[in-house]
Amino acid sequence: DAGVIQSPRHEVTEMGQEVTLRCKPISGHDYLFWYRQTMMRGLELLIYFNNNVPIDDSGMPEDRFSAKMPNASFSTLKIQPSEPRDSAVYFCASSSTLAGGWQFFGPGTRLTVL
Amino acid sequence: SQQGEEDPQALSIQEGENATMNCSYKTSINNLQWYRQNSGRGLVHLILIRSNEREKHSGRLRVTLDTSKKSSSLLITASRAADTASYFCATDSGGYQKVTFGTGTKLQVIP
Repeated sequence: DAGVIQSPRHEVTEMGQEVTLRCKPISGHDYLFWYRQTMMRGLELLIYFNNNVPIDDSGMPEDRFSAKMPNASFSTLKIQPSEPRDSAVYFCASSSTLAGGWQFFGPGTRLTVL
Repeated sequence: SQQGEEDPQALSIQEGENATMNCSYKTSINNLQWYRQNSGRGLVHLILIRSNEREKHSGRLRVTLDTSKKSSSLLITASRAADTASYFCATDSGGYQKVTFGTGTKLQVIP
């Protein structure tokens, strides 16, 4: 298995632009998580899905952030409009109820908003 | 908010020495997990210990859990330079699959 795949790996954009981050979870996993990591705030859970349904989005900072999971093999995290304070590393992770419950992380997307 | 707080924040040891990291948490848990993050990479799961377990081993890793003190420790024996990374504890917070990560311990192993 290729593991959790994220794209792009790096994104540099200007304030006000729309940013879309993509994630392909491990096949067969029924949970998908989006995290944000910064030096100041550490690793924060933004939202997670179970069987493609959003379960908890209480960590989504603002209405500028939205996430979708149209099918079991794809999810997006969108920021519109982006702001410099959104600069961070965004991780996607997936897990399986049947396989221990620990999470498998993707390599992350490093977002820089100028 | 972060459930777990790791201690120390940073640790520097010589290769071959043992490294001990501690995690304290605030509310009751079903299980506690430890993850490793190499610089610029995603987190990698190391070990999971359930609330009814007191100790667990995996290779050079030993994890203990004291639910009465709401604390856990991760011991890495005979450390290697490749162990240099940040280590995070993660506790479930209601939903079995949803966890909250601590602040992390940055470990440096000097060859």
